[in-house]
Amino acid sequence: NAGVMQNPRHLVRRRGQEARLRCSPMKGHSHVYWYRQLPEEGLKFMVYLQKENIIDESGMPKERFSAEFPKEGPSILRIQQVVRGDSAAYFCASSPGRQQETQYFGPGTRLLVL
Amino acid sequence: GENVEQHPSTLSVQEGDSAVIKCTYSDSASNYFPWYKQELGKGPQLIIDIRSNVGEKKDQRIAVTLNKTAKHFSLHITETQPEDSAVYFCAASSNYKLTFGKGTLLTVNP
Repeated sequence: NAGVMQNPRHLVRRRGQEARLRCSPMKGHSHVYWYRQLPEEGLKFMVYLQKENIIDESGMPKERFSAEFPKEGPSILRIQQVVRGDSAAYFCASSPGRQQETQYFGPGTRLLVL
Repeated sequence: GENVEQHPSTLSVQEGDSAVIKCTYSDSASNYFPWYKQELGKGPQLIIDIRSNVGEKKDQRIAVTLNKTAKHFSLHITETQPEDSAVYFCAASSNYKLTFGKGTLLTVNP
């Protein structure tokens, strides 16, 4: 009965380093969504992926951020050359299929950039 | 794009009282409205959702109402318990992209 899994749960990086956040969707789910939560803010949509396809990346910053969901393995959110403003909680959600299926969230990765 | 406003930002109630959280949305195309509960250090947990073809939905102590004409929806928690204390988020969607409110910190005092 595993839910959405994310790792690491906490990640500390120095400015200029790379951050890699991983997300394994619930069993049977093929749609993955990434959201970012800044302190005392709601979650903001970043990207929507299906296996091997990026469906919508309209919420992703144009530079330094990328996401993938390979045929095998977890979805990866990659942040290159991190800056202090990237410090936030990053949540992954998954759904079984078609649009508007309920999204189930993972526990999040809390990224701190020093 | 969609914009969701949520009120109040903080809410303190006595155990056993009711709590009401309200949200408004701007995009008339939105037709799916979930509510999430987030405890400290954890991810959002879906507690109830409603689609635009119904006006009200209830699940034990939790109910949600939707007024599409006025573009607002509300969460009602009855007989609150200390374990209901958390941050609650409303969201709206017309496709797959959830737009969240800024959250309500609910504190239930024993």
